[in-house]
This record gives sequence, C-alpha cells and structure tokens, in this order.
Amino acid sequence: DAGVIQSPRHEVTEMGQEVTLRCKPISGHDYLFWYRQTMMRGLELLIYFNNNVPIDDSGMPEDRFSAKMPNASFSTLKIQPSEPRDSAVYFCASSLLLGLHTGELFFGEGSRLTVL
Amino acid sequence: TQLLEQSPQFLSIQEGENLTVYCNSSSVFSSLQWYRQEPGEGPVLLVTVVTGGEVKKLKRLTFQFGDARKDSSLHITAAQPGDTGLYLCAGEGENTGNQFYFGTGTSLTVIP
Repeated sequence: DAGVIQSPRHEVTEMGQEVTLRCKPISGHDYLFWYRQTMMRGLELLIYFNNNVPIDDSGMPEDRFSAKMPNASFSTLKIQPSEPRDSAVYFCASSLLLGLHTGELFFGEGSRLTVL
Repeated sequence: TQLLEQSPQFLSIQEGENLTVYCNSSSVFSSLQWYRQEPGEGPVLLVTVVTGGEVKKLKRLTFQFGDARKDSSLHITAAQPGDTGLYLCAGEGENTGNQFYFGTGTSLTVIP
C-alpha cells in the first residue's frame, strides 16, 4: 500500500518567492496534519484537518502560511512570500480516529525547503 | 501548545549498554506515542500507551506511561547500532482535540 506521499522532496527558492508543498494522505484516513521540523524548535504542528475541514491552525506562524484540503486525497501548504527563516523540513501525516484516540500518525518523507 | 521535554537531548553509548530516555510534561495526556526517526525520513511509530501506569515491551524496548499520564520513559536494553536515531515522544492533548504535540527529541547514537 502506498504511504503518505509528499512533493517536492527538496525545494530551493529565493526569498519572496511563493512555495507550494503537496501531500497525498493514505486513502481512508480522516485526519491530516502538517508539521514543520527544525533543529531549534523540533517538530511543530502547523495545522490539521478532519474530513477535509481545518480544525486547528493556531500553529501556523503567520499570514504568509496557508493550507487547503480540497478533497480527501490532496492537501497543500503554501508560503507566500517565503523568507529564509521558513527553511525547514515540512512533514505531512495522516491518521484514523480509533475510538476516542487518534491512531498512529503515518508520516511522509518530508519536503526539505531552503529559502535563500 | 503543550510542552513535552525530553532528556537527554543527545546520547552516545557503546553497543550492549542500557539506556533510558525521559519525556516529561506538566500537562495530562489522553495517550502518548513514541516514534523513531532516521535521517531523511519521517518518524515511525514504535508504541502507543493509553492507561496511566501502563508498561509495554517491544523486544528490547520497554515503554512506561506515568501514573498521572504526564510523563513517559523509554528503556532500551543492550543497545545495538540499529537503534541509532531520533526518538520522539508525542502526547495527545486531553482537552485539545485529536492532535499530537511532539517532544523535543533525543538523538541516540550507538557505537559498534
């Protein structure tokens, strides 16, 4: 079975440019999470969706970040305009709700973003 | 944000040694997960603990959830080079919906 698929794996861009990261969750999963990982701050939750609806975006750093989930099989995280401090590895993860608890988080391989 | 602090941050040990990694918070979690991450990859689940005081074993790894569901530990017996990686604990918020907050991570290196 295919896991969570993210693209691109690597992105190098210049400050001020728009960046779009893409994610295809595991089919049938009803939760989708976007995380950002840096050495300084570790793994931070940016936003998560339940059944395509954004539930909590309090982790989104600022208005330059936006995320959408137009259908159950696709999500995007957009940064416009990008800044050097946005350089990080961005992970998408999906999961199922098991009873009262969120089940295992299945992570993609990440998108490594470098903003020059 | 519910802060999960892990200790130690870095650990380098010889093959065959035992080690314990700690995950502490002032918040109560409805469940807690441990993940391992290797370079260039996403974290992969090792275990989920739900009940306070629960102990789970996975081969040479022993996981414990604190009685008050605020902390957890991971003990590795006779570490092997294949155990090298970044270990992350993640707590599911009790009153904050079905989202996980990740700890600061412990980077383990096992030297052959």
